[in-house]
Amino acid sequence: AQTVTQSQPEMSVQEAETVTLSCTYDTSESDYYLFWYKQPPSRQMILVIRQEAYKQQNATENRFSVNFQKAAKSFSLKISDSQLGDTAMYFCAPRELTGTASKLTFGTGTRLQVTL
Amino acid sequence: GAVVSQHPSWVICKSGTSVKIECRSLDFQATTMFWYRQFPKQSLMLMATSNEGSKATYEQGVEKDKFLINHASLTLSTLTVTSAHPEDSSFYICSAIAGDVEGGYTFGSGTRLTVV
Repeated sequence: AQTVTQSQPEMSVQEAETVTLSCTYDTSESDYYLFWYKQPPSRQMILVIRQEAYKQQNATENRFSVNFQKAAKSFSLKISDSQLGDTAMYFCAPRELTGTASKLTFGTGTRLQVTL
Repeated sequence: GAVVSQHPSWVICKSGTSVKIECRSLDFQATTMFWYRQFPKQSLMLMATSNEGSKATYEQGVEKDKFLINHASLTLSTLTVTSAHPEDSSFYICSAIAGDVEGGYTFGSGTRLTVV
């Protein structure tokens, strides 16, 4: 099983500022996918962004972007122009390709609080 | 987009009874579904992977006889917690993918189980 480490249990950022959430993982595979999910107080899991390991270009989705360092097995999430609605738990999740199933392994999560 | 409906959203049951949680893919066929368990302020822990028409694959440490999973059709998977005890109280979340679509993970809204 993969090991996923999110070293920041909690973070706080002011509205309109930028924040970066870190994630490192361990895998023996050369091709895989990486995801960031958010879980707001409603507890609904929402996909934020995904990255394909074979692509060197970092993924971007509006205010969300990643810094993917394959050699270092690092996959950080940058949130620009933070909004109150960004308050949530954020989970980093590599997709493990095993047999016929592709399962996600979630990190421990980072609780992000956006303040006024 | 793809929608996964999970019911019930919450349930309270007496110790020793069984409770069933349903996970339905509403607008796509889900060949694979995943069941997760989440304790308060913790990450999602994969319990099992179910494939339509075959037996579920359970993660290490998950009791197969206690957590019965049935994936009898391409749109429905069920998790039955048998002989529930207070320690089974948790938040259960299902997730579905159609085939091996890249990034195609859709999550249900979760079920809060309380065993009294």
